[in-house]
Amino acid sequence: DIQMTQSPSTLSASVGDRVTITCRASQSISSWLAWYQQKPGKAPNLLIYKASSLESGVPSRFSGSGSGTEFTLTISSLQPDDFATYYCQQYNNYWTFGQGTKVEIK
Amino acid sequence: QITLKESGPTLVKPTQTLTLTCTFSGFSLSTSEVGVGWIRQPPGKALEWLAVIYWNDEKRYSPSVKSRLTITKDTSKNQVVLTLTNMDPVDTATYYCAHKGLRSLYEHWGQGTLVTVSS
Repeated sequence: DIQMTQSPSTLSASVGDRVTITCRASQSISSWLAWYQQKPGKAPNLLIYKASSLESGVPSRFSGSGSGTEFTLTISSLQPDDFATYYCQQYNNYWTFGQGTKVEIK
Repeated sequence: QITLKESGPTLVKPTQTLTLTCTFSGFSLSTSEVGVGWIRQPPGKALEWLAVIYWNDEKRYSPSVKSRLTITKDTSKNQVVLTLTNMDPVDTATYYCAHKGLRSLYEHWGQGTLVTVSS
């Protein structure tokens, strides 16, 4: 099994802040990494795929980078709608999610 | 427009078998490379992938629950059924079904259904 580890678990930030979330895979997954946003009571929403490709309709303030075992999701200027929980997911060998990072209001 | 919706019991007793149905529209499970997967999320916890069924009836299961899971499809009814045997309170979760597209990503999700395991 490929394990995914996100950090931090919780992040307190203000509107306008630059936010970075890290995701590490237990083995190389090349660029087969996606990021999802989830709001309370809702299903996850795909933001980024193949580590750095922005899903259609997703604001350009979201970006992803990395390959192999280390990846990051960056929100360049945090907006009120961005307070949510973010999950990384590997799809190199079936699918595994990270434990999530909750972005909360500072 | 792709939509999916989960249905099934909201409450099951320990040791019982859970049967959930995913009814979908906007795509066909007979199209090459397409699949439907199940993912669950215990209250306040992370997402856990459970199983997927592909257009060609191939099935894959999460090793952690493989012995308890069965996934089947009825292409004519646009439905996928997940069964999970020997339910335990730790199986309490929101269960989602999702469409797996050509990119191997879960691009479209159902709204989820909360299943509580309690006597």
